Amino acid sequence: GNSVTQMEGPVTLSEEAFLTINCTYTATGYPSLFWYVQYPGEGLQLLLKATKADDKGSNKGFEATYRKETTSFHLEKGSVQVSDSAVYFCALSGQGAQKLVFGQGTRLTINP
Amino acid sequence: GAVVSQHPSRVICKSGTSVKIECRSLDFQATTMFWYRQFPKQSLMLMATSNEGSKATYEQGVEKDKFLINHASLTLSTLTVTSAHPEDSSFYICSARGGTGRNQPQHFGDGTRLSIL
Repeated sequence: GNSVTQMEGPVTLSEEAFLTINCTYTATGYPSLFWYVQYPGEGLQLLLKATKADDKGSNKGFEATYRKETTSFHLEKGSVQVSDSAVYFCALSGQGAQKLVFGQGTRLTINP
Repeated sequence: GAVVSQHPSRVICKSGTSVKIECRSLDFQATTMFWYRQFPKQSLMLMATSNEGSKATYEQGVEKDKFLINHASLTLSTLTVTSAHPEDSSFYICSARGGTGRNQPQHFGDGTRLSIL
């Protein structure tokens, strides 16, 4: 079945550092890929998405590229801020499927 | 756009009480809504999927008589936790999706923290 694996957290960085959160997936066919962010005590917000190979999703300085050859969708940001502290979830939606399959989440803390 | 409102945000009640949580799509029609449960520091666990006007499809291991889901309109779904007990305490999150197809993202509510005493 479909699955998503994220790098284990927690991840702690200093402000203005470069961020990478790894995400790899297993799926048949051509899934759509998503990154969601969850701030403390809140639901999830869609951060970015990509629907086909080589697509790059971007939003608020975050980027992720759909790499079919490596089955990856790593999240990157060039310079993080304290306000980026949150839990980040990688997810996929398989062909013909309604459901989202989530990774386990990566807790990110940015120190000033 | 794509706002999902979930209410209430927090509930504290006694064991044996039934609790209803509402999930509304405010600016789009949600053909499909989803209910998740999240334990502390864990990922989301899908409980059920509901399509407007149809019975909900529950995930394996989720008691449908315990967690009643109604999706009576294109903008409203409700989850009722019947005869709640302390083990039902959790963070419940709904999401909604307009249209069909895997490219349509799910939009999430802010969650409901349920505490059963």
